[in-house]
Amino acid sequence: KAGVTQTPRYLIKTRGQQVTLSCSPISGHRSVSWYQQTPGQGLQFLFEYFSETQRNKGNFPGRFSGRQFSNSRSEMNVSTLELGDSALYLCASSLGLAGSVETQYFGPGTRLLVL
Amino acid sequence: GNSVTQMEGPVTLSEEAFLTINCTYTATGYPSLFWYVQYPGEGLQLLLKATKADDKGSNKGFEATYRKETTSFHLEKGSVQVSDSAVYFCALCPRGSYIPTFGRGTSLIVHP
Repeated sequence: KAGVTQTPRYLIKTRGQQVTLSCSPISGHRSVSWYQQTPGQGLQFLFEYFSETQRNKGNFPGRFSGRQFSNSRSEMNVSTLELGDSALYLCASSLGLAGSVETQYFGPGTRLLVL
Repeated sequence: GNSVTQMEGPVTLSEEAFLTINCTYTATGYPSLFWYVQYPGEGLQLLLKATKADDKGSNKGFEATYRKETTSFHLEKGSVQVSDSAVYFCALCPRGSYIPTFGRGTSLIVHP
């Protein structure tokens, strides 16, 4: 079974631009969560989608948004990029019905650099 | 709020040395506790977990015991290998919540 895939793997943007990251979950998984990983803040929860609905949200500004499609694939969008948005963005999928962090499978991440 | 504190890295060891990575937490109630490992270029993988006080999680030679009295969940391994070189994250998840809180990660470097 294929794992969680994230595209692109690397991205360079400039301040003020916007960016869209994509995550394809493991086949059959209906929940997708997004995390931001930085050296200073560590790993922080962004949001979780299940059946095309945002179910949980972390403490991030409205510039960070996401959506999930009917095939469970998810996209994350960051508008008006700031230097501090440079990070590794991780996606994780799970079957999702019960919602348990220990059943999540993580993708390799998208490394975003904002110049 | 909830928080997880891990020892600063990097931790540098020789092969076959004993490993301890300290983790303490602050949370209301009795959260579940986890250790994750992130190998270079890969996403996080669940290494072990414990869901109640005095539980011991173990996997691949790694162990951690849920200590409620000291609010700790230290990761240990008796004899590390070069292949254990990675970043290790301690995390908690409150009961009834799906939102985990992670520590900042501890990099482990094992030399031959």
